[in-house]
Amino acid sequence: ETGVTQSPTHLIKTRGQQVTLRCSSQSGHNTVSWYQQALGQGPQFIFQYYREEENGRGNFPPRFSGLQFPNYSSELNVNALELDDSALYLCASSGGIGSGNTIYFGEGSWLTVV
Amino acid sequence: EDQVTQSPEALRLQEGESSSLNCSYTVSGLRGLFWYRQDPGKGPEFLFTLYSAGEEKEKERLKATLTKKESFLHITAPKPEDSATYLCAVQLYGGATNKLIFGTGTLLAVQP
Repeated sequence: ETGVTQSPTHLIKTRGQQVTLRCSSQSGHNTVSWYQQALGQGPQFIFQYYREEENGRGNFPPRFSGLQFPNYSSELNVNALELDDSALYLCASSGGIGSGNTIYFGEGSWLTVV
Repeated sequence: EDQVTQSPEALRLQEGESSSLNCSYTVSGLRGLFWYRQDPGKGPEFLFTLYSAGEEKEKERLKATLTKKESFLHITAPKPEDSATYLCAVQLYGGATNKLIFGTGTLLAVQP
């Protein structure tokens, strides 16, 4: 158990719809990032939040957006869903006192776009 | 371009048959190299972080090593429960601290 919890675990959406995924970071971890993992691929970095601000972004379009809240939890929002957005979405956290540079992942949210 | 390559893509071992997984990297400035284990349908489970050439870390049957160009994950006398995908990732200086660049993984199957 890493202490990083994500919801929902599975969901199915229709092309063109919007989706919100949620993440509670490990206690005390102030940095949260999101990754997209397609089948058979390694995770791809979407963006990172620190102190409620986005401070790093991968090669993803603006329809991928996020939020971080004062308790360090986070949301990933994806607008205008496309079939290629079907993937496992992973949340990762780090930055707590004593955690060093270790980055912990949650179990992910499986998104299917039909 | 920063790149991580893992080999082999898949590896099948008999229980007790030791082997090594390879992770080669070409990056502008390595801050840390991470190894994760991922079971089907699950998130990556942290194993090790290595920071400098010559560094080694061990955990049960696993040992990770690092050189200036690659890292190895040695598996000694594996058991069926070691079957999983092993992911290697690099963290770079100057980027977002949680930004990892992953390889595509090695799928390990250990047969009893």
